[in-house]
Parts: sequence; C-alpha cells; structure tokens
Amino acid sequence: GENVEQHPSTLSVQEGDSAVIKCTYSDSASNYFPWYKQELGKGPQLIIDIRSNVGEKKDQRIAVTLNKTAKHFSLHITETQPEDSAVYFCAASNNNDMRFGAGTRLTVKP
Amino acid sequence: NAGVMQNPRHLVRRRGQEARLRCSPMKGHSHVYWYRQLPEEGLKFMVYLQKENIIDESGMPKERFSAEFPKEGPSILRIQQVVRGDSAAYFCASSLMGASRGLETQYFGPGTRLLVL
Repeated sequence: GENVEQHPSTLSVQEGDSAVIKCTYSDSASNYFPWYKQELGKGPQLIIDIRSNVGEKKDQRIAVTLNKTAKHFSLHITETQPEDSAVYFCAASNNNDMRFGAGTRLTVKP
Repeated sequence: NAGVMQNPRHLVRRRGQEARLRCSPMKGHSHVYWYRQLPEEGLKFMVYLQKENIIDESGMPKERFSAEFPKEGPSILRIQQVVRGDSAAYFCASSLMGASRGLETQYFGPGTRLLVL
C-alpha cells in the first residue's frame, strides 16, 4: 500500500519568510495529492490540492509542486503570517487508498 | 451550505461503556470516511462507507468497533466497551459521488474528542 513521509515534523519561521513542507510517497499509481491545514481543536481543512497531470499549482500565497519521477511533492507558503500557524498534513491517493503524512507543526513568529 | 457536521464535539465515557459518534456529510455527498487521530499524530483511516454499504473497513479494529451509514440519517461510528486506548479525536470526512475512495476530495468535520476515564 501507499506510504507517505512528511518533513519536517516541526517548522518555525519569522513572519514574512517562506515555509516549505515536503512529502514523499511510495506508490507510483498515486494521482491525487491534497494538503490540509489543521488548527488547534478543529478538523483538517483542505487548502490546496494537485492532480498528477500537472506539476505545479498556485493559490495566492500557497503553492504546491509535484515531481512524479521522484515521487515527492511540496507545499510552499510565501509571506507567512501568524495565522498560518497550524499543523499541515499532506496526503497521497490512488484509486483505492488515501494515506496521510504525520503532519508538520508550523509556527510563524510575529 | 453547511459543511460536515459531527456530534458530539466532546464525549467522556468510563471504561466499559459505549460511545456513539455521529457524522452528517456535506449536502449532496454520499461517501463518508472515518479517521482516528491520536495527539501529535496524523490521521489514520478507519472505514469508508456509502449509503447502506461498507466499502472498506480495513483500518477499523475487528472487535468493539462498528460503523454504519443508513439510508436516512447520519453515519454512526460505534465503539463498544471502550478502553482508555480508545481516547482520541475521531474525524469524519465526506466526498461527492466517486468511483473510489482515492479520487475525490474529502472534506472534514470538526471531530469528536473521546476521552475514556
């Protein structure tokens, strides 16, 4: 089955800096890669997703890149703000299975 | 357009009692997924259901745990004879009709935090 690894487990940046979170997956058949943001005491919220037919997708300050050959994908947050502080989860899915990474706790210091 | 709803948000049970967690999917969604999250850990898949059918329960313990998604009403995750190790946050997600679990975007509810004393 699919195995997703996520790094780093914790990340601290200064407000205004960029943050990058990386994930690798094992199943070459995976074709859908969502990212979720989970704030304290809340459920995960989808922030961006990418399908295997594109290499990059951007939505304002958030972007995701996908390298199918290397089987890794990354979340990029630019101009970070304190409200970006949360736990971020990546996931990879094929036609039968969706697996989540262990999460990255991002702290943005004002 | 209401999102995924879960209740209760917090549930306290004593060892040996039963816990019932409810999930109402987003309007128009007919696929429901249950996940479990331990503190400081990721989301572990438990079960995937469509209306009146369990599609994949490979992540659910064989004993004490059961799930249903009836034709009418919310999906229910039921834990019988709870033990302290069942303490966790349980999240429900829903998706629009799709051929399989992996292809559709899943939208999560706020979760139920179960504490077993």
